[in-house]
Amino acid sequence: DAGVIQSPRHEVTEMGQEVTLRCKPISGHDYLFWYRQTMMRGLELLIYFNNNVPIDDSGMPEDRFSAKMPNASFSTLKIQPSEPRDSAVYFCASRAAVGGREKLFFGSGTQLSVL
Amino acid sequence: GENVEQHPSTLSVQEGDSAVIKCTYSDSASNYFPWYKQELGKGPQLIIDIRSNVGEKKDQRIAVTLNKTAKHFSLHITETQPEDSAVYFCAASSGSARQLTFGSGTQLTVLP
Repeated sequence: DAGVIQSPRHEVTEMGQEVTLRCKPISGHDYLFWYRQTMMRGLELLIYFNNNVPIDDSGMPEDRFSAKMPNASFSTLKIQPSEPRDSAVYFCASRAAVGGREKLFFGSGTQLSVL
Repeated sequence: GENVEQHPSTLSVQEGDSAVIKCTYSDSASNYFPWYKQELGKGPQLIIDIRSNVGEKKDQRIAVTLNKTAKHFSLHITETQPEDSAVYFCAASSGSARQLTFGSGTQLTVLP
């Protein structure tokens, strides 16, 4: 398996523009998580899905952030409009269902810079 | 919710020495404690994990210990090598989906 695949690896955009980050989880995994990593706040959970359904989005910082999972093999995280304080590394991660199979696998991340 | 504290934030050791990173957690219902290693420009990778029914687990030069009563767990790396240099994160699993809450990370530098 190729692991969790994220695109793009790097994104540079201007304040006010829409940004879309993409993720392909590991085949067969039931859970998908979006994390944000910054120096100040570390790894923060933004939202997670179970069987393509958003379960907990309490970590999404503002209404400017939205996430979708239209099918089991694809998810997006959208920021509209983007702001400089959104600059961070965004990670997607997936894992199998609970019951002893909780190992979480991360993608390589998207480095977002909002100018 | 769960809160995980990790110390130290930075750690420098001489090659061949041991390194210890410590974490505490707040939710007594947490029962799974993984450790992740993050190299520059990459996503975190699982290196070892432990469940609450076990007190210690070893994998070659890496070991993890868990004290459920005190709610703390530690990562031990013996005979450190320069390639061990990275950021290490501890985490605890809680909530209905057993989602992970991460510590703030430890930058480990192994000096040759």
